[in-house]
Amino acid sequence: ETGVTQTPRHLVMGMTNKKSLKCEQHLGHNAMYWYKQSAKKPLELMFVYSLEERVENNSVPSRFSPECPNSSHLFLHLHTLQPEDSALYLCASSQVRWGSEAFFGQGTRLTVV
Amino acid sequence: GQQLNQSPQSMFIQEGEDVSMNCTSSSIFNTWLWYKQDPGEGPVLLIALYKAGELTSNGRLTAQFGITRKDSFLNISASIPSDVGIYFCAGIYGGSQGNLIFGKGTKLSVKP
Repeated sequence: ETGVTQTPRHLVMGMTNKKSLKCEQHLGHNAMYWYKQSAKKPLELMFVYSLEERVENNSVPSRFSPECPNSSHLFLHLHTLQPEDSALYLCASSQVRWGSEAFFGQGTRLTVV
Repeated sequence: GQQLNQSPQSMFIQEGEDVSMNCTSSSIFNTWLWYKQDPGEGPVLLIALYKAGELTSNGRLTAQFGITRKDSFLNISASIPSDVGIYFCAGIYGGSQGNLIFGKGTKLSVKP
């Protein structure tokens, strides 16, 4: 089983829909992240959870709502998205310690129509 | 804010050639990471560097942590078609989680 698993792999949703992305890590890490990757843009950090508490929110619109019920699971709840929100959404996890590297899931390709 | 300048942005090479790419910054980093991303997939960690001057290999890949702690390079020797993808550098600064920033990536295309 892969270390960081994201579901679904692909999602098409209308602008009025509500959906959730799920991430699960099996690495025993205690920090989890959501990144957005758009075409021709660098990876954009959206949210960071460390020890199940949100420690960073990079000015992300409120139509994106994260949830971290425990150290192994992370969700991204989506509602009333815009077409420009279409992107690859990546989850990552790491250990909370100096210089710890992050491991990524395979991503969810989101298309907003 | 912290920024990483990764170059080149893209490159076409002949199979069997060596490849070199680098990341530079005006800021100091504690850790340098190199990732590879295949189309439609998440980035996969290739090499992690933790000390200034460190030189680490992973098969045909070699990466170095610059002495000044402001740069890193990645070399791929004897490239093959499966090396195609986007390579990202990433740097970790400070002592807390979340201080991980990425370069914009180098897109590698190999001519068979």
